[in-house]
Amino acid sequence: GAVVSQHPSWVICKSGTSVKIECRSLDFQATTMFWYRQFPKQSLMLMATSNEGSKATYEQGVEKDKFLINHASLTLSTLTVTSAHPEDSSFYICSALAGGGYEQYFGPGTRLTVT
Amino acid sequence: AQKITQTQPGMFVQEKEAVTLDCTYDTSDPSYGLFWYKQPSSGEMIFLIYQGSYDQQNATEGRYSLNFQKARKSANLVISASQLGDSAMYFCAIFSGANNLFFGTGTRLTVIP
Repeated sequence: GAVVSQHPSWVICKSGTSVKIECRSLDFQATTMFWYRQFPKQSLMLMATSNEGSKATYEQGVEKDKFLINHASLTLSTLTVTSAHPEDSSFYICSALAGGGYEQYFGPGTRLTVT
Repeated sequence: AQKITQTQPGMFVQEKEAVTLDCTYDTSDPSYGLFWYKQPSSGEMIFLIYQGSYDQQNATEGRYSLNFQKARKSANLVISASQLGDSAMYFCAIFSGANNLFFGTGTRLTVIP
């Protein structure tokens, strides 16, 4: 089956620093990847849709200058949380859409804690 | 716009019994797909089952079946013969032509031995 990895699985950083999270499709090419955020005991909320070779599409209320997304290849998308603050602490999950399909394959998630 | 409603924040079921998790949806798209995902405490999202809006038959995957009632806009998940490992959060999601998944608020299922 299709496998999506995320790195790191958890990260602790100080307020004001930037953190990069990688999302990789290991055995398939993903023209589209998605980034979700999940606060404790809440549902997944779509942050942005990332298409290879083009700018990401951000959902309403998500600051594109704060959450930088780069989808430079068909197997890698990165999310950079710039100038992180404690309220950015959350569980970030990526997913990848295999070409022509409708099923999203999810990564294992990255737990970010900003102190 | 799409909307998913899961009205059961928590459910309990006896081991080996069946349980139904409710999901209703709303969408203006004529073509859509409905998903159920399981999220254990580890956080990973595990795909369980998919139902396309034009599928005539209810989807089944092992112990999981989807009770799809299109006119009522409901897509309930039925888990048969519950196991202790089924204890987790369960999310219903709708997929539209924009390739986006919209998730419900989830139902926490606890299987009692």
